[in-house]
Amino acid sequence: DVKVTQSSRYLVKRTGEKVFLECVQDMDHENMFWYRQDPGLGLRLIYFSYDVKMKEKGDIPEGYSVSREKKERFSLILESASTNQTSMYLCASSLLGDGAYEQYFGPGTRLTVT
Amino acid sequence: SQKIEQNSEALNIQEGKTATLTCNYTNYSPAYLQWYRQDPGRGPVFLLLIRENEKEKRKERLKVTFDTTLKQSLFHITASQPADSATYLCALESGYNKLIFGAGTRLAVHP
Repeated sequence: DVKVTQSSRYLVKRTGEKVFLECVQDMDHENMFWYRQDPGLGLRLIYFSYDVKMKEKGDIPEGYSVSREKKERFSLILESASTNQTSMYLCASSLLGDGAYEQYFGPGTRLTVT
Repeated sequence: SQKIEQNSEALNIQEGKTATLTCNYTNYSPAYLQWYRQDPGRGPVFLLLIRENEKEKRKERLKVTFDTTLKQSLFHITASQPADSATYLCALESGYNKLIFGAGTRLAVHP
């Protein structure tokens, strides 16, 4: 059974803290994605990666960075957390290629920044 | 810029009826479109994919249509059950292996 796991389901951090969100997939997928989901706004792409050490900005990269040192692991970093980064964060993975590949999602991390 | 619209109001229907959810998009011509289901507190789960050259796709009680002229996709659940209650997300191809998601429509099926 394919699986995408995220390091925490719930996280509470203080303003200004550095926050690490970890995502691991066991499907040998090349593509990995980080989204945030807010009510009424849907999923918005923060960053994605199509290979180890490769990263591309999504639609809302400001205030975030990512790291992909191994194929199965994709980390999202909030350099200095702010209250407007309180959200549900979802990681996903998919195959890479010319095909229309579905994305497999993790369970999400609900981050609260106080 | 690309824009996707799904009905923000919840859809309430009786068990056994057909649920129809709408996804409209503008400023884009996607090569394919996907539908996902999301339960509260969980990540989305893929349901169906339909390509631009396909008019209709079926999977068990699910049916998706794709009208590239109207820039619209319809998602149908026939013989709906309370277990079908969830939020359904429409997602459009927006570049190489990337998707852009709608905000979703919440479906509630009442016994």
